[in-house]
Amino acid sequence: GENVEQHPSTLSVQEGDSAVIKCTYSDSASNYFPWYKQELGKGPQLIIDIRSNVGEKKDQRIAVTLNKTAKHFSLHITETQPEDSAVYFCAASIRSEKLVFGKGMKLTVNP
Amino acid sequence: GAVVSQHPSRVICKSGTSVKIECRSLDFQATTMFWYRQFPKQSLMLMATSNEGSKATYEQGVEKDKFLINHASLTLSTLTVTSAHPEDSSFYICSASYGSSYNEQFFGPGTRLTVL
Repeated sequence: GENVEQHPSTLSVQEGDSAVIKCTYSDSASNYFPWYKQELGKGPQLIIDIRSNVGEKKDQRIAVTLNKTAKHFSLHITETQPEDSAVYFCAASIRSEKLVFGKGMKLTVNP
Repeated sequence: GAVVSQHPSRVICKSGTSVKIECRSLDFQATTMFWYRQFPKQSLMLMATSNEGSKATYEQGVEKDKFLINHASLTLSTLTVTSAHPEDSSFYICSASYGSSYNEQFFGPGTRLTVL
């Protein structure tokens, strides 16, 4: 089955810096890659997703890139703000099948 | 749009009792709902997948007689933890999708279960 690896597990940056989270997946049939932000005591919130027919997607300060050949995808957050502090999860799925999550990365943005 | 609610947000119960958690899709019809469990500082672990009107599909290692799932309508799924024990204490999160060809899921806010 699919296996998703995520790194780093923690990241601390200064406000205004950029943050990058990287994930790899094992099943080349995976075609949907969402990213979730989870604040303490809350459910995950979808922040951006990318499908296998595109290589990059951007939404304001957030961008995701996908390299199907290497089977990895990354989340880029620019101009980080303290409210970006949270745990970020990547996930992958094959069409109409369950999501497989990475282990998560705790991002801390220091004012 | 695509809002999912859960009730209750937190519950404390005694060991041996049963607890029911509701998951509702508020503004869409959810053909599929998922139940996850999340222990502190860990990732989400899928427990089961349910489609409206049919039996849930449980992940390996999840006891179907202990975690009863009912998906009676396109907007409501329930998870009942039967004969709860302290090791069942966790954060339970549901998600819902409306059956697009890609498995886009919308998550609820979670339910914190504490079993004494």
